Amino acid sequence: EPEVTQTPSHQVTQMGQEVILRCVPISNHLYFYWYRQILGQKVEFLVSFYNNEISEKSEIFDDQFSVERPDGSNFTLKIRSTKLEDSAMYFCASSEQGLYGYTFGSGTRLTVV
Amino acid sequence: RKEVEQDPGPFNVPEGATVAFNCTYSNSASQSFFWYRQDCRKEPKLLMSVYSSGNEDGRFTAQLNRASQYISLLIRDSKLSDSATYLCVVNDPGGYNKLIFGAGTRLAVHP
Repeated sequence: EPEVTQTPSHQVTQMGQEVILRCVPISNHLYFYWYRQILGQKVEFLVSFYNNEISEKSEIFDDQFSVERPDGSNFTLKIRSTKLEDSAMYFCASSEQGLYGYTFGSGTRLTVV
Repeated sequence: RKEVEQDPGPFNVPEGATVAFNCTYSNSASQSFFWYRQDCRKEPKLLMSVYSSGNEDGRFTAQLNRASQYISLLIRDSKLSDSATYLCVVNDPGGYNKLIFGAGTRLAVHP
């Protein structure tokens, strides 16, 4: 079964450092997303991406966040200057037909110290 | 009012039991509804979409009541492997393929 691949599985970084979380969506999917889940809380939408541009972003997705599809397979989330409150599980997802067929990656656990 | 509300549980049930989860959503314009399952510290995985007429997938039955903005999930003949958190998910009608998640209901099935 096709899957969304995320690397690394766990990243520890110091406050103020930049991190890049990487994702390889399913190859024939056209819609890409990032969600996050703070420990013990619900899954929250960050951003959606289609046709090489951001379709929508949440209030959480402020200027410290950016996304990129640098080559045709990878989809990255960059956090420019990490804060303690950025510690969370970050899930990448992709879908072929919008809302249906969403597949989530196994996540990157980001710990900011 | 929360966008998607669920009873957090936990629901502790013996194997073989039938258990039901409920969910309410706030935006009547939502059109797409799902139940996802999430194991501890893992990604959400689609359990089933929920259709207006109700739908069944093996031991799982989902119902939707648009008038009450209410979604339910029934699990029959619970297995130990059903232990997980069940997430009620709806689309954001003002968004672009954006999902809104409830906080989840935890199920623990014991022998």
